[in-house]
Amino acid sequence: QVQLVESGGGVAQPGRSLRLSCAASGFTFSSYVMHWVRQAPGKGLEWVAVISYDGGDKHYADSVKGRFTISRDNSKNTVFLQMNSLRDEDTAMYYCAKQNSPPLSGLDYWGQGTLVTVSS
Amino acid sequence: QSVLTQPPSVSAAPGQKVTLSCSGSSSNIGKNSVSWYQQLPGTAPKLLIYDNDKRPSGIPDRFSGSKSGTSATLGITGLQTGDEADYYCEAWDSSLRVGLFGGGTKLTVL
Repeated sequence: QVQLVESGGGVAQPGRSLRLSCAASGFTFSSYVMHWVRQAPGKGLEWVAVISYDGGDKHYADSVKGRFTISRDNSKNTVFLQMNSLRDEDTAMYYCAKQNSPPLSGLDYWGQGTLVTVSS
Repeated sequence: QSVLTQPPSVSAAPGQKVTLSCSGSSSNIGKNSVSWYQQLPGTAPKLLIYDNDKRPSGIPDRFSGSKSGTSATLGITGLQTGDEADYYCEAWDSSLRVGLFGGGTKLTVL
C-alpha cells in the first residue's frame, strides 16, 4: 500500500534552516509528481511546492519562493524540502502528497505530516 | 485571503443534503480540474473528488462534485455526524503556476 512518511520537523530559530524528508513506498515513485502542502495551527491548507517526476520542473508558492527548495532522489524514493531563512509564519504542519494520475487530478495520498515550529 | 473562495462554515441536520461552493477565476477553476478534500480533526486531508466529479475508490457516492465556469460545488447527501470536518477545494492556476487551496469550509452536522 502507498505510504508517505515525513521527517525532519522540529523547532528552529528565525533565520535558520531545516530540511524535511518524505520517504515514499508502495508505488513507482519516479513516475509521479510530488507536492508539499502546509497548515499553520488552526488555519487552512496552503500549497507550498511541486516537483515533476524527474525533478526537472519545480514551482513554488510566492510565500516561500527564494527561501525553500524542493528536490527528489528517485533512487531513494524520497522527496525533500530545504527550508532556509525561516520565519515565524513558516510555523506549520508540513505534509508531502502524491499527485494523482493523470496530472492535475488531485493529491491522492498524503503523509501524516511533520511539525515545524519557528521560534526564538 | 485565498484565491479560491469558500464559505467559512455550513451546517445541516443528519440525513439532509448540503452543498459547498468554491469560486475561482478563469486561470484556475475556469481552466483546470477541481479536487475536494476532507480533513477530519487531527488528521491529514483525504481526497474526496478529483477531475471535478470523480470519486476515488472507497469514497461513497453520497459525495459528488460538479463544476460550471469558474465555480465548483461539492455535494453531500445523507449527512452523518462522521461527516463533520473541514472541506477544501483545490485547483492549479495556469497563469500563476501555483497550486491553490480554498480557505476551507467547516461542516457541522447538528
